[in-house]
Amino acid sequence: DIQMSQSPSSLSASVGDRVTITCRASQGVSNYLAWFQQKPGEAPKSLIYAASSLQSGVPSKFSGSGSGTDFTLTISRLQPEDFATYYCLQYNSYPLTFGGGTKVEIK
Amino acid sequence: QVQLRESGPGLVKPSETLSLTCTVSGDSISGYYWNWIRQPPGKGLEWIGYYFHNGYTIYNPSLKSRVTMSVDTSKNQFSLTLTSVTAADTAVYYCTRGGNAIVGATPFYWGQGALVSVSS
Repeated sequence: DIQMSQSPSSLSASVGDRVTITCRASQGVSNYLAWFQQKPGEAPKSLIYAASSLQSGVPSKFSGSGSGTDFTLTISRLQPEDFATYYCLQYNSYPLTFGGGTKVEIK
Repeated sequence: QVQLRESGPGLVKPSETLSLTCTVSGDSISGYYWNWIRQPPGKGLEWIGYYFHNGYTIYNPSLKSRVTMSVDTSKNQFSLTLTSVTAADTAVYYCTRGGNAIVGATPFYWGQGALVSVSS
């Protein structure tokens, strides 16, 4: 199985900050990498697929980059509704595997 | 707008079978990847497997011996069965719609989730 390591596991940030979350794969996944946002008590929501493609309806303050083994999710100008847990997912190889999550909290 | 809704028993006894159904509205079952994903309380996400429109299924090896997924195109429903459950199978179970054959299996649309507890 491909292991997905997210860092940091949690972070504190202020409204208006720029936040970067990293996801590293134990082996190359090409660009088959997705990002999700999950708020407490809710289902995850798709943000990014194919490493850098924005899901329809997702604001452009979210952006993704990377290929191979190293990927980043950037949130520019953090807003109150962005405080949540973020997960990466590789879908290049079976089984599909998620990162452990990054909890973004209010400073 | 694609909508998915999971349904099934919220409580299953140990060693019994967990069965969930996902009813899809606003889209056809055909042509997409349909995943089941679960999340134990307070923990991360685990991919269970997917069904592709032509009957092709791939299951997580960690669950493969206990999992079956199927589709009823006449009802636009997608189902999961998990046999011989234990407390470790207690989780919120999500059905999700992935992309097509070109885009891949990554979930684009999620149901609201169904909490299934395994307890006697």
